[in-house]
Amino acid sequence: DVKVTQSSRYLVKRTGEKVFLECVQDMDHENMFWYRQDPGLGLRLIYFSYDVKMKEKGDIPEGYSVSREKKERFSLILESASTNQTSMYLCASSFGGDEQFFGPGTRLTVL
Amino acid sequence: GENVEQHPSTLSVQEGDSAVIKCTYSDSASNYFPWYKQELGKRPQLIIDIRSNVGEKKDQRIAVTLNKTAKHFSLHITETQPEDSAVYFCAASINSNTGKLIFGQGTTLQVKP
Repeated sequence: DVKVTQSSRYLVKRTGEKVFLECVQDMDHENMFWYRQDPGLGLRLIYFSYDVKMKEKGDIPEGYSVSREKKERFSLILESASTNQTSMYLCASSFGGDEQFFGPGTRLTVL
Repeated sequence: GENVEQHPSTLSVQEGDSAVIKCTYSDSASNYFPWYKQELGKRPQLIIDIRSNVGEKKDQRIAVTLNKTAKHFSLHITETQPEDSAVYFCAASINSNTGKLIFGQGTTLQVKP
């Protein structure tokens, strides 16, 4: 059974703080993704990675960076959190072009 | 860039009726079209998908149709039940290596008992 886990379900941070969101998958998937989910906007891709140390920008990368030092782990970093980054963040992984498996999500609130 | 438009944004049906959700995509090179269901407070999960070499796929009460010429695809749910109430997302992909998906905006389906 594929398992994608995220480090926190709920997170509250202050404006200007550096925030780390971690995602771990146990299925040896090459591809990993970070999305943010906002009402009426669907799932918007922030960054994705198709191999260790490889990363590509998605549709909304501004204000974010990522790190993939190991195949199973993909981290999303908010260098200086802002209130407009308050959102639900979802991580996903896949093997090639097959089904993406999602983590449970992290609801981040930036005060 | 590639874009996926999804309609309607909300849909309310009576239990037992059918529900149809439509999506259009912009990149004619798109070749993979999955549909995800997200129940309240839960993660999105794949319910059905179709690749560009077929026009229709069915799995019990759900079916997906693809019209490559018009660049649109649809999700059909028959004999709806209250447990079908959820947010549904369509998506399109052109890169089978990276698996990158472009998602639609989502449709909130409410099935009234």
